[in-house]
Amino acid sequence: GQNIDQPTEMTATEGAIVQINCTYQTSGFNGLFWYQQHAGEAPTFLSYNVLDGLEEKGRFSSFLSRSKGYSYLLLKELQMKDSASYLCAVTDSNYQLIWGAGTKLIIKP
Amino acid sequence: GAVVSQHPSRVICKSGTSVKIECRSLDFQATTMFWYRQFPKQSLMLMATSNEGSKATYEQGVEKDKFLINHASLTLSTLTVTSAHPEDSSFYICSAREVEVEQFFGPGTRLTVL
Repeated sequence: GQNIDQPTEMTATEGAIVQINCTYQTSGFNGLFWYQQHAGEAPTFLSYNVLDGLEEKGRFSSFLSRSKGYSYLLLKELQMKDSASYLCAVTDSNYQLIWGAGTKLIIKP
Repeated sequence: GAVVSQHPSRVICKSGTSVKIECRSLDFQATTMFWYRQFPKQSLMLMATSNEGSKATYEQGVEKDKFLINHASLTLSTLTVTSAHPEDSSFYICSAREVEVEQFFGPGTRLTVL
């Protein structure tokens, strides 16, 4: 079957750094997405990785290792507005998005 | 980036009525549109995939006669929840795809069935 695992909840302090991990097992791989979702809103795109390595975009970075079926989202200089759920999603061989359950990130002052 | 709109953003209806939700791609042609449902504190669940001009492909467990999907043009898809019941209350989100990878999400529709 297809499976994506990420922690259910994480807590971090404002100004700190947090890493959210995602492991996946899917039928085929055509890229991995990270989305941010605030409560009651639709997901918003954060990053896309299809090749191994680190993609940096401002305070957010995303890493992919295809051989390990592993990705992480790194958030630096955390702000209170970063409190949200972070969804990992993998595009399989049929270009369908397979979603993780999401990681709820709680930022404390 | 590409923009997808959804209408209405919020709807409250009585049990037994039907509700139509529209999803539009505003600045690109969406060859494929997706409909998701999200219950509180849960992840997105794909309901169906629709390609312009053809019948939608429904995920297992989703009743196609209850959730009618029409993708009549490259910029518009509609989801009609027929004979809605309180258990259909949920957050419905559409997304649209022009090329084969990235999906762009609409803002979502909050449906409450009384």
